[in-house]
Formats: sequence, structure tokens, C-alpha cells
Amino acid sequence: GQNIDQPTEMTATEGAIVQINCTYQTSGFNGLFWYQQHAGEAPTFLSYNVLDGLEEKGRFSSFLSRSKGYSYLLLKELQMKDSASYLCAVMDSNYQLIWGAGTKLIIKP
Amino acid sequence: GAGVSQSPSNKVTEKGKDVELRCDPISGHTALYWYRQSLGQGLEFLIYFQGNSAPDKSGLPSDRFSAERTGGSVSTLTIQRTQQEDSAVYLCASSLVYSSSGANVLTFGAGSRLTVL
Repeated sequence: GQNIDQPTEMTATEGAIVQINCTYQTSGFNGLFWYQQHAGEAPTFLSYNVLDGLEEKGRFSSFLSRSKGYSYLLLKELQMKDSASYLCAVMDSNYQLIWGAGTKLIIKP
Repeated sequence: GAGVSQSPSNKVTEKGKDVELRCDPISGHTALYWYRQSLGQGLEFLIYFQGNSAPDKSGLPSDRFSAERTGGSVSTLTIQRTQQEDSAVYLCASSLVYSSSGANVLTFGAGSRLTVL
């Protein structure tokens, strides 16, 4: 079957760096997405990786290794507003998005 | 509209009643998706529309669930004879097209929280 694994919850300190990992086993691969979802709100798009390597976008970076079935989202200079759930999703060979359960990130002052 | 709108934002109903959830996608977006989000689980795909047609209904959990889209715009998800296990947040998303390129970014609505007593 298809599977996306990410930690359920992580805690970090304001101003620090945190890395949220995502491992996947899917039928084919057409890209990996990260979305941010604040409690009670819509998920919003953060990043898309289809080739191996690091994509940097401001304080957020996303890394992909297709051979290892692995990605991470790196958040730098954490702010309180970064407290949210981070959803990892992989597009499979049928262009269906397979979603992880999300990682709830708690930022402490 | 500027974003994806969903209504109602919250719905409490009694077991056995029918409910309708509405989604108004971004103007011009031809692809529309319905997902279900339950606590501690990943988003569960229900159905998608390309224009008014639904090529893939495989995600609908049972024949109590149905969806339609009219005029290539508004979509309605209907759940008949609701059960307690239907309680969840129902998310709608839209995209410009149902892209086969992979880089298909979805814009989500805030969801409709359904509670079945």
C-alpha cells in the first residue's frame, strides 16, 4: 500500500531552527508537496519538490531524496506564527495526492 | 471569488439526517476536489471534478455520499442518512486545471466541520 510517515508532534523554541521529516512509499512519484495548516483554517501551499535537492524560499526550505523516499521541511528563525500543522503529500503515478497525517509544530517563547 | 468558500463552516446534525455541504471554488479554476480530514489522519481523497464531470469517484466511502458540480463552478457534497463515523472536516480545494505535470497546487477552503450526534 501507499504510505506517508511524518512525526505527530514537534516542539521548538522561538528563533531556533526545526526540521520536519517525511518518508514515503508510493506507487510512482510525480512530486512532493508541503502545506501549512493553522488550526481551523485552510491548508496553504508551501513548497513543491520533484528533483533531488534543496529548494529555498525565505525562512523555509524543502529537501528531497527520491532514492531514499525522504523529504524534510526546514524552518529557520522560528516565529510564534509558525505554530501550525505541516502536511506532507506525494503525487503518485496516477497523479493522485497521498497525504501524511501532518506534524503539529508547537513554538515556545 | 478571491478564495475557495465553503458553507456551512459548522454543521451539527442527528444520525440519519441528510446534509449538504457547499463549495464555491476560485473563479476560473476548472478542477475541484473534495477531501475528508479526521483527527490524526491524513487527508482522505473523496472525489474530483474536471469541469462538471467526475472522472474518479473511487474515494467516496459509500453510496450514501454523492457530489455534483454545475456550471463548472459551485459543487455540493451530499451525505445521506448520516452516521457518527461521518463526523469530520470536509475540505474543498480547487486548481486551475487537473494537471498531469505534477506541479498542481491546490487552493483549499477552510472546511466544513460536520458533527453527527
